[in-house]
Amino acid sequence: EVQLVESGGGLVKPGGSLRLSCAVSGFIFSDYSMNWVRQAPGKGLEWVSHISSGSDYIYYADSVKGRFTISRDNAKNSLYLQMNSLRAEDTAVYFCARERHNRGFDYWGQGTLVTVAS
Amino acid sequence: EIVLTQSPGTLSLSPGERATLSCRASQSVSSIYLAWYQQKPGQAPRLLIYGASSRATGIPDRFSGGGSATDFTLTISGLEPEDFAVYYCQQFGVSPFTFGQGTKLEIK
Repeated sequence: EVQLVESGGGLVKPGGSLRLSCAVSGFIFSDYSMNWVRQAPGKGLEWVSHISSGSDYIYYADSVKGRFTISRDNAKNSLYLQMNSLRAEDTAVYFCARERHNRGFDYWGQGTLVTVAS
Repeated sequence: EIVLTQSPGTLSLSPGERATLSCRASQSVSSIYLAWYQQKPGQAPRLLIYGASSRATGIPDRFSGGGSATDFTLTISGLEPEDFAVYYCQQFGVSPFTFGQGTKLEIK
């Protein structure tokens, strides 16, 4: 069974940092690109970042570029999102999602809530 | 950035009716990279359609997708009670990947 489990969310002050993790199981992690998607309270989905299977290709939304860093450890079946210089507008539920080649984001985690407030 | 605009914002229909949701792109999108998702309150999104018209695993055949270039459609034939949710289109062919703002399908 495919599982994606996010962790690391919480309350952080503006300007602070947080590192999210996504532990996966049930599939060969190193075969798939992965993404982070977020959803602010009561709002729609916003794509955050993409990393290819071998970390060769990394993309970011303009809203997080220069502040967030996506990475992965294929040996540990884990995806990460290092978030620095956090702002109130980064408050959201953060989902990790598996990207199946040319078939969209086919599996998602349950999300982890990040709240940026003083 | 490719902007996806979904319409209508809210669609009020009754069970058994047919729903037609629109997704318009600000520039041409390869159909290969156009997907639709369903999201219910408190849940993660679920992939419904990929490649503009192919149903994901386990998706009932009352869900169908179509369109090309800048105009895409999700159709739900014969609405079931569990279909009332928010629907998003997405393009993932060109970075930044983008989602539409969503269409809320509510019970009339």
